[in-house]
Amino acid sequence: AQSVTQLGSHVSVSEGALVLLRCNYSSSVPPYLFWYVQYPNQGLQLLLKYTSAATLVKGINGFEAEFKKSETSFHLTKPSAHMSDAAEYFCAVSNFGNEKLTFGTGTRLTIIP
Amino acid sequence: GAVVSQHPSWVICKSGTSVKIECRSLDFQATTMFWYRQFPKQSLMLMATSNEGSKATYEQGVEKDKFLINHASLTLSTLTVTSAHPEDSSFYICSASTPGTSGINEQFFGPGTRLTVL
Repeated sequence: AQSVTQLGSHVSVSEGALVLLRCNYSSSVPPYLFWYVQYPNQGLQLLLKYTSAATLVKGINGFEAEFKKSETSFHLTKPSAHMSDAAEYFCAVSNFGNEKLTFGTGTRLTIIP
Repeated sequence: GAVVSQHPSWVICKSGTSVKIECRSLDFQATTMFWYRQFPKQSLMLMATSNEGSKATYEQGVEKDKFLINHASLTLSTLTVTSAHPEDSSFYICSASTPGTSGINEQFFGPGTRLTVL
C-alpha cells in the first residue's frame, strides 16, 4: 500500500521568496515520487520525478525536490517565486512493478505581488 | 513529444443520457491508459486502468457498468458515462503511459474534460 500526505492545502508566498511545498509518503517498497503542476481547467504537467537515482532532483521551471528516505519526504522547493508559479501542485507515488499513481490532496500555491 | 488530447474539453448533458469522452495519444503508442476523476478543489482519483485489447481494470467502488471504458487501439481509449446523473458531474482526466527516459513508464496527462449533468 502507498499513500501521500501534502501538508498545507494552501500556501502563499511573496514574489521572489522561497517556495516550499511539503510531501510525505508511505510505501512498503522503494518508491518512485513525482511532482505535478495543474493550472486551472487543465491536465497535469510533470515537474520532476525521483526514480532511485540522485536524491536531489531538478525539474522544470526552476523547481527541485530532495528525496529523504529517513524522513519519508519529497519536498518541492524553488528559490524565487514567480507570479506564473501560481497553480495547484500534486505529489504522487508509485513503485517498481506498479505504475499506478497515488496522489496527494494537492497544495494551492498563491504568489503575492 | 508525448502529447495526450481529450475530446471534448467540456460537455453539458441532460440527466439520463450517455456521454463519451475520448483520450488520444497523439505522437506515441500507449498500451496502458488511465482514467481519473477530479472533484472541485480535490485530488485526482484513479477510476480505472485501460489496457489495449483487454478489459479495463476498475478501482474499488467504481461502477464498471456506469463508466464503460474501451481501449480499441494503441492511441485511443474512450470513457462512456452511461445514464449520467448530476452527481457524475466532474472533471475527467486521462493519462497515457509510455517508457520514460529514466527507465520507468511515465504517464502523460490529457487536458481534461469537464462534464456537467443537468
